[in-house]
Amino acid sequence: EAGVAQSPRYKIIEKRQSVAFWCNPISGHATLYWYQQILGQGPKLLIQFQNNGVVDDSQLPKDRFSAERLKGVDSTLKIQPAKLEDSAVYLCASSYGLATDKNIQYFGAGTRLSVL
Amino acid sequence: QKEVEQDPGPLSVPEGAIVSLNCTYSNSAFQYFMWYRQYSRKGPELLMYTYSSGNKEDGRFTAQVDKSSKYISLFIRDSQPSDSATYLCAMSPGTASKLTFGTGTRLQVTL
Repeated sequence: EAGVAQSPRYKIIEKRQSVAFWCNPISGHATLYWYQQILGQGPKLLIQFQNNGVVDDSQLPKDRFSAERLKGVDSTLKIQPAKLEDSAVYLCASSYGLATDKNIQYFGAGTRLSVL
Repeated sequence: QKEVEQDPGPLSVPEGAIVSLNCTYSNSAFQYFMWYRQYSRKGPELLMYTYSSGNKEDGRFTAQVDKSSKYISLFIRDSQPSDSATYLCAMSPGTASKLTFGTGTRLQVTL
């Protein structure tokens, strides 16, 4: 079974530039999550999708971050404009769905963003 | 105060030692408790999944949950150099709820 795919693996940009990350979840997984992991901290949920609908985006800085999952499969997370404090690893995770017993989340390798 | 507290380490142990990793939490609504292992430059991978209080064993790994004390532990027996990684505790109130992670404990198992 293929895992969660993310690209690019690394990205370096200057502040005020824009950047986009892509995620392809495990086949059949209805729920998709984007997390931000700052160095030395645990992952923090930014947004959660169930199919193509948003379940939780309460911690997404909506003035600069946006995310979409138009066809309920892959997803894109965008930052525009980027700030220095956005330097982090952006992790995508997926799970079978909210109605399942365990709803275990499987993570991709992440995209490491450096904002200079 | 953070919802989940975890000592960041680093924790260095010799090969073969028993390792104890711990988290405390403040939200009494948490019912589901997980331990993830994260190797450098990789995403977290699930090690243990526990519901409510009690113990769960899987090979060299044992997870314990004490809800009365709001304290969870992961024990690793006969630790190996391949166990060197960051261990993240995570918890949620329900299967459909978001995960709240600890900061992670960096473990180094030396030869």
